[in-house]
Amino acid sequence: GAGVSQSPSNKVTEKGKDVELRCDPISGHTALYWYRQRLGQGLEFLIYFQGNSAPDKSGLPSDRFSAERTGESVSTLTIQRTQQEDSAVYLCASSLSGHYTDTQYFGPGTRLTVL
Amino acid sequence: AQSVTQLGSHVSVSEGALVLLRCNYSSSVPPYLFWYVQYPNQGLQLLLKYTSAATLVKGINGFEAEFKKSETSFHLTKPSAHMSDAAEYFCAVSDGGGNFGNEKLTFGTGTRLTIIP
Repeated sequence: GAGVSQSPSNKVTEKGKDVELRCDPISGHTALYWYRQRLGQGLEFLIYFQGNSAPDKSGLPSDRFSAERTGESVSTLTIQRTQQEDSAVYLCASSLSGHYTDTQYFGPGTRLTVL
Repeated sequence: AQSVTQLGSHVSVSEGALVLLRCNYSSSVPPYLFWYVQYPNQGLQLLLKYTSAATLVKGINGFEAEFKKSETSFHLTKPSAHMSDAAEYFCAVSDGGGNFGNEKLTFGTGTRLTIIP
């Protein structure tokens, strides 16, 4: 079946502009995660959605970052007034039920470059 | 808070040799541990996971890892390296105790594995 998809695959933007990144999870997966991978570093958790529950936003680095998810489908991560330090690969993952032992399936990521 | 340390950002082994990628964790509660692999230009793929059952976990592509509580380690091994194993490997931990029930993963910084022909 189809895996997690993300768009765009690459995004180059100018400092100060807003960007939107999209994630399509695996159909039927109730849990969705966003992570950030900076060059030479591990993945950093950003935000987690589980069904209709309030999202866990504890990893968002600043109020310039926000994310939404419509039901159990598509999610968008928005970065306002982008800064050069926002340059990274943004990864989305989904899992079936949100249990902590569930396998998280990752998308290919969006590479964001802020000039 | 939990954390993961991967010793060696780059590891090179000869084709056919043993692969050993090190991972040590820190967690205040019994951890759940994962190894993911990232092939060039691809997303992360789960290799194997430890969820408090058998301490020796077998994964895909001939990899396995052993959970050693006394050493707080979860090292990844493969007896004989293949050229197709060249990739970046990430160790991750979840303590399962988050307020939201499902705990996000905390990742190590990754180890890039190079296979020498």
